[in-house]
Amino acid sequence: DILMTQSPSSLSASVGDRATITCRASQNIARYLNWYQHKPGKAPKLLIFAASTLQSGVTSRFSGAGSGTDFTLTISSLQPEDIATYYCQQSYNIPLTFGGGTKVEIK
Amino acid sequence: QITLKESGPTLVKPTQTLTLTCTFSGFSLTTSGVSVGWIRQPPGKALEWLALIYWNDDKRYSPSLKSRLTITKDTSRNQVVLTMTSMDPVDTATYFCAHSGPSRNNSVWFDPWGPGTLVTVSS
Repeated sequence: DILMTQSPSSLSASVGDRATITCRASQNIARYLNWYQHKPGKAPKLLIFAASTLQSGVTSRFSGAGSGTDFTLTISSLQPEDIATYYCQQSYNIPLTFGGGTKVEIK
Repeated sequence: QITLKESGPTLVKPTQTLTLTCTFSGFSLTTSGVSVGWIRQPPGKALEWLALIYWNDDKRYSPSLKSRLTITKDTSRNQVVLTMTSMDPVDTATYFCAHSGPSRNNSVWFDPWGPGTLVTVSS
């Protein structure tokens, strides 16, 4: 199985700050990496697929980068509505695996 | 507009079999490249992928749970059913179903997801 490791596990930043989450794969997954936002009691929401393609309807505050084993999700200007837990997911092979999540909070 | 909704028991006893149904609209599971997956989240923990069924009835399972899981589809009713045998309190979780559409290289990303259903395993 491909292990997905996210860091940090939690992040506290001020409104307007830039926030960056890292996801590392245990082997080369090319660009088969997706990012989700999950708010408590809600369905997870796809933000980015194929490492850097913004899903339709998602604000351009979110961006993704990386390939191979190292990936990042960046929120360019943190807003109160961005409070959530963020997960990466590899789709390089089965079993599909998720990272452990990064909880984003407002300072 | 694609929507999915999970249904099933909220409480099951240890050793029982869980049956969850995902009822969807806005797409067909006969369309090439389409799949539906099940993912769960134990309280306070991360997301865990469980199973996937493709338009052509190909099925994939999490290796750690494969012996306990069965995924099936009923295209006429727009439903996907997941059964999990030998339920244990550690299986207490919110269970989600989600759509994955056609993509280059058959890559699987889930969009959208159902709202989820909390299943508690307790005697």
